Amino acid sequence: EVQLVESGGGLVQPGGSLRLSCVASGFTFDDYAMHWVRQAPGKGLEWVSGITWNSGSLDYADSVKGRFTISRDNSKNSVFLQMDSLRVEDTALYYCVKDYGYYVSLDHWGQGTLVTVSS
Amino acid sequence: SYELTQPPSVSVSPGQTASISCSGDELGAKFVSWYQQKPGQSPVLIIFRDRERPSEIPERFSGSNSGNTATLTISETQAMDEADYFCQAWDSNNAGVFGAGTKVTVL
Repeated sequence: EVQLVESGGGLVQPGGSLRLSCVASGFTFDDYAMHWVRQAPGKGLEWVSGITWNSGSLDYADSVKGRFTISRDNSKNSVFLQMDSLRVEDTALYYCVKDYGYYVSLDHWGQGTLVTVSS
Repeated sequence: SYELTQPPSVSVSPGQTASISCSGDELGAKFVSWYQQKPGQSPVLIIFRDRERPSEIPERFSGSNSGNTATLTISETQAMDEADYFCQAWDSNNAGVFGAGTKVTVL
């Protein structure tokens, strides 16, 4: 059974930083791309960032480019999202998501970790 | 930036067919996925590559994609199908794009 467990969310002031982590199990982690998708309270889904199996391609939404950095450690079945220069509008539930392959589809989702940016 | 447009809401009677559209420029040239999200839950993939279904998804869910419009069809709609539905595709820069979502109400 595929499991994705996020951690690292919390309350942070505008301009601050957070590092989200996601530990995966139940599949061969280094065979798949991984993504972060967020959902602001009461709003729709927004793709944030994606990383290929070998970290050869790192992709970002325009809204986070230059502020967020995605990475992965295949030896630890983990993917990370370093979030710097946080803004109030980054407040959301952040989901770790497994890809079906290489940017095909988002086939398994974690439960999410909540990030709140507020003074 | 690439955009996907969905109707905000669709209403359907139990046992009837619901259709949800998703439109975007030359969307038919891209693969579209659909996700179902119920209140308080994480999204679930229900259609990928326009029309393929994960094995655990009921056959009453089907998809198509042509021209500028992709469509999710729910046949013989049940009360349990009441949820938000999001379409999704990848733009030319490998960025994921979601539609704003459609709330399906089963009356």
